[in-house]
Amino acid sequence: DGGITQSPKYLFRKEGQNVTLSCEQNLNHDAMYWYRQDPGQGLRLIYYSQIVNDFQKGDIAEGYSVSREKKESFPLTVTSAQKNPTAFYLCASSIGGGAGTGELFFGEGSRLTVL
Amino acid sequence: AQSVTQLGSHVSVSEGALVLLRCNYSSSVPPYLFWYVQYPNQGLQLLLKYTTGATLVKGINGFEAEFKKSETSFHLTKPSAHMSDAAEYFCAVGRGTGFQKLVFGTGTRLLVSP
Repeated sequence: DGGITQSPKYLFRKEGQNVTLSCEQNLNHDAMYWYRQDPGQGLRLIYYSQIVNDFQKGDIAEGYSVSREKKESFPLTVTSAQKNPTAFYLCASSIGGGAGTGELFFGEGSRLTVL
Repeated sequence: AQSVTQLGSHVSVSEGALVLLRCNYSSSVPPYLFWYVQYPNQGLQLLLKYTTGATLVKGINGFEAEFKKSETSFHLTKPSAHMSDAAEYFCAVGRGTGFQKLVFGTGTRLLVSP
């Protein structure tokens, strides 16, 4: 079955440490996204990528970094510069380009807790 | 710019009662509209979407939504709530074809009591 796989599902980190969240998709989608979800705030866009080797900042990119070296993979690094990293992180993809309706397909999420 | 407003962060219904979750949008271009559902500690799953054509859209699990341009609304309804419908629901708006970033509302948590 095609889909999006995020790992790990739960992650604990000490303050001052960087951590990388994995996101892999086998839907052959061009576009990939990272969202952060906090209670009562909905989904906020961190970074997105329309094509391999290219990505853009979203609304809350400070303290995060990404790479897009392969079409299937879009890892997110939460750096020590992120002041409040405890959150639920969601990876998504869409067909992209000139096709599709913009519908997003989501992974199961990764919950990061900073101790 | 586009935006979405979901009225009510929490909605409570009894099992078997009508479910109505409200969504109003703002868009300078004809919108594409989406409803997603999220169960605890899971990702979002598409319930239904409106792109063009028929304004009454039917989705999974018995949900439907009607696009009303004059009211800039896309409310989600289900005639009879089931316990398994308890979840968080998100409305989102997009600009149409081509690459786009969906704008999400803040979500409405549906509580279903027996």
